[in-house]
Amino acid sequence: DAGITQSPRHKVTETGTPVTLRCHQTENHRYMYWYRQDPGHGLRLIHYSYGVKDTDKGEVSDGYSVSRSKTEDFLLTLESATSSQTSVYFCAISVQGTDTQYFGPGTRLTVL
Amino acid sequence: KNEVEQSPQNLTAQEGEFITINCSYSVGISALHWLQQHPGGGIVSLFMLSSGKKKHGRLIATINIQEKHSSLHITASHPRDSAVYICAVTTIITGNQFYFGTGTSLTVIP
Repeated sequence: DAGITQSPRHKVTETGTPVTLRCHQTENHRYMYWYRQDPGHGLRLIHYSYGVKDTDKGEVSDGYSVSRSKTEDFLLTLESATSSQTSVYFCAISVQGTDTQYFGPGTRLTVL
Repeated sequence: KNEVEQSPQNLTAQEGEFITINCSYSVGISALHWLQQHPGGGIVSLFMLSSGKKKHGRLIATINIQEKHSSLHITASHPRDSAVYICAVTTIITGNQFYFGTGTSLTVIP
């Protein structure tokens, strides 16, 4: 599992509240990713990071921000959650020099 | 338009059947990946291919670069093979960013 954990694993929140999801890795990998998974869409890239304080937008970045102040942690923040952000969120890392990605266990977020 | 298309979207098979899941892509790739996701579970990598064929147990993955097509085969299917199978590609231009298909949901009935 490449030492990837996500927290929380489940969260229910209300529209308009801020939410932060955490991805933690133990193996010092440079590249980290946040995806959301929705029926009919598959996995879609929200943001990714290629190093501490180096991040970039993905396909569906609107309404999300990220931060990476330490190699091991990649945070995804929903500044003001909306019902359309109800989804399962996966963090992933890629091993430098390979194309392989390893995924965290996922966080199920419900916005009421 | 999605760069990666999978078929079928849903597949039901009897235990023991030979199963094929298809993936077509429209971009230049550096590698193609097959991933597996069990219900309520995480996502694990099954294969990474840039040419030819790979085999792991009852799973076989093939790729035809000229036709931009890959297949995942499962021989002697078993109910524990029930999962969503996801095709993804990494491209020459974007390096290790993945582009995903929407997945094929497989149910194997005893």
